[in-house]
Amino acid sequence: DAKTTQPTSMDCAEGRAANLPCNHSTISGNEYVYWYRQIHSQGPQYIIHGLKNNETNEMASLIITEDRKSSTLILPHATLRDTAVYYCIVRPANTGFQKLVFGTGTRLLVSP
Amino acid sequence: NAGVTQTPKFRILKIGQSMTLQCAQDMNHNYMYWYRQDPGMGLKLIYYSVGAGITDKGEVPNGYNVSRSTTEDFPLRLELAAPSQTSVYFCASRPGLAGDEQFFGPGTRLTVL
Repeated sequence: DAKTTQPTSMDCAEGRAANLPCNHSTISGNEYVYWYRQIHSQGPQYIIHGLKNNETNEMASLIITEDRKSSTLILPHATLRDTAVYYCIVRPANTGFQKLVFGTGTRLLVSP
Repeated sequence: NAGVTQTPKFRILKIGQSMTLQCAQDMNHNYMYWYRQDPGMGLKLIYYSVGAGITDKGEVPNGYNVSRSTTEDFPLRLELAAPSQTSVYFCASRPGLAGDEQFFGPGTRLTVL
C-alpha cells in the first residue's frame, strides 16, 4: 500500500487559501487519495477524495498531479474553524476502509 | 439523524476492570469501525464490521472484543483493562460499497489507572 508524506505543520492567514500538500510517490493506479480532518478533540471528518481527476466540493478542492505522485488539498478561504489536523490517506480501490492508515497528518493553524 | 453516537464521553477505569463502550448509528449503515487514538498519534483500527453478525480484526485487536447483533449497534468490550488501553476511542460508520464517506462519532476518552 502506498504511504503518504505530509508536512508536520502549516500556518495560514484567515481569508487566504490554505494549500496542504501530500506526497504519495508510490501510489498505484487503483489507489484513491482521501483527505480527512480532525478538529481538536473531535472525531475525524471526511473532506474529499479522488482517483486522478481534480475534485471539488463545498468544503475543498483536491488537485492531483498528472503522475499522481502528489496532491494538494485547497481550502479556498480559510477560517479560524479550519484549524485542525489534516490527514492525507491512500486507499486501494479493491479493499475496504479497514486498510485506511491515518498517519500524524498536518496541523493547520489559521490565524486572524 | 443523530449520526454516530458514543457513550460514555469519559471514563476512568482501574486496572483489571471491564467495560463496554457503546456505539450506535441511525443511518442504516452496513459498515462500522472502532479506532483508538493515542496522544499525538493517528488512528489505529481495532475491529470492524461489514454487517450484522459479521466482525473482523483490525490492526490492534488484542484486549478488545466486539459484537454486531443489529445494524445500529456496535459495542466494544474491554476485558481486564490495562494502562496501555488509555486512549480516545472513536466509532465510525459507512453506508457500504457505494459509500466513500466515513462518519465518526465524538469519541470516548478512557483512562486506565
